Amino acid sequence: GDSVTQMEGPVTLSEEAFLTINCTYTATGYPSLFWYVQYPGEGLQLLLKATKADDKGSNKGFEATYRKETTSFHLEKGSVQVSDSAVYFCALSDEYSGGGADGLTFGKGTHLIIQP
Amino acid sequence: KAGVTQTPRYLIKTRGQQVTLSCSPISGHRSVSWYQQTPGQGLQFLFEYFSETQRNKGNFPGRFSGRQFSNSRSEMNVSTLELGDSALYLCASSLNGQGVETQYFGPGTRLLVL
Repeated sequence: GDSVTQMEGPVTLSEEAFLTINCTYTATGYPSLFWYVQYPGEGLQLLLKATKADDKGSNKGFEATYRKETTSFHLEKGSVQVSDSAVYFCALSDEYSGGGADGLTFGKGTHLIIQP
Repeated sequence: KAGVTQTPRYLIKTRGQQVTLSCSPISGHRSVSWYQQTPGQGLQFLFEYFSETQRNKGNFPGRFSGRQFSNSRSEMNVSTLELGDSALYLCASSLNGQGVETQYFGPGTRLLVL
């Protein structure tokens, strides 16, 4: 079945540091890839997505590139802020040949802590 | 545009009881999915509804069920509650439930089973 693997953390960085959160996946079909962020006590918010190989998603300074050859979708940000502290989830949606998705498959989540 | 809303936000039940959670999707969205989030298992897909029909189902026992109404609002029901059902239950909506679409999540219902 489909799966997503990501570092769980916690990952602790200083403000303005460079961020990379690794995400790799296995899928049987033609997945779309997503990064979601969850702030304390809240639901999930979409951060960015990519729907085909070599697509780059970007939002709020975060970027991730869909790499089919390495089955990866690593999240990066050049300079993190305290307000970026949250849990980040990598996810995929595998659209089977008949159309329609089989739900999002999530990684375990990476707890990111940014210190001032 | 209003986001996905879920009620209630918090719920405390005892073992053996049943519970019903409600989700109102973003206006115009016809697909509603439900997820369970626990510290141990993470986020797991429960089921997805589209046009009042359950299209997809995750690997959960039959105690977990749901339905969708003609206005796309959805409810999920858990019968004979167990301690392990304590979790955050998240609802998400999208236009048609296709894989390339973004799913928009509500704030969740936190269920505690005592």
